[in-house]
Amino acid sequence: DIVMTQSPDSLAVSLGERATVNCKSSQSVLDSSNKKNYLAWYQQKLGQPPKLLMYWASIRESGVPDRFSGSGSGTDFTLTITSLQAEDVAVYYCQQYYTTLYTFGQGTRLEIK
Amino acid sequence: QVQLQESGPGLVKPSETLSLICTVSGASISNYYWSWIRQSPGKGLEWIGHMSYSGRSNYNPSLKSRVTISTDTSRNQFSLKLSSVTAADTAVYYCAKAALAGLMYFDCWGQGTLVTVSS
Repeated sequence: DIVMTQSPDSLAVSLGERATVNCKSSQSVLDSSNKKNYLAWYQQKLGQPPKLLMYWASIRESGVPDRFSGSGSGTDFTLTITSLQAEDVAVYYCQQYYTTLYTFGQGTRLEIK
Repeated sequence: QVQLQESGPGLVKPSETLSLICTVSGASISNYYWSWIRQSPGKGLEWIGHMSYSGRSNYNPSLKSRVTISTDTSRNQFSLKLSSVTAADTAVYYCAKAALAGLMYFDCWGQGTLVTVSS
């Protein structure tokens, strides 16, 4: 199994400031044949299902604000939220879809400082 | 706009079979891949398995011996059966649609249904 480990488990950021969530996979999720990273990010607000934010590590899903961006390759990935808004309070998850056992990180809880 | 809705009992007795249905609207069950994912405080998000549009299934090895996912194209539904449940199977169960065939990131989720295993 590919184990996905996120850091930190929680963070508090002031409104308008930058928030950074990290995700590390226990093995590479980069397919060298197509140079794509099989990594997605989700946002889960309280009482709601997860919502897809990013796929291929850095491609924003339609309708996702451009203050959300994804980066990284291989085993280390980052979700960045520039200029944090109140509606961004949520738990964020990474997920790999490189292998046929699809696994998620444990989640990072983002709060307003 | 694709929508998914889970339905089924919220309480299941230990050793019995958990059965859930996901009703899909806005897309044909004959397209895409359809998954079940669960979320519990202890284990976070856990992919259970999927059924493809061609009828192929793939299950999480940790649950494979107890899981069956099937589709009903006439009703545009897919279902989950998990046998011999224990308290560890208590979770919110989500049905979800994979964004593209064979690319298992999930662009549409149901609202989720809480299933509690208790006598």
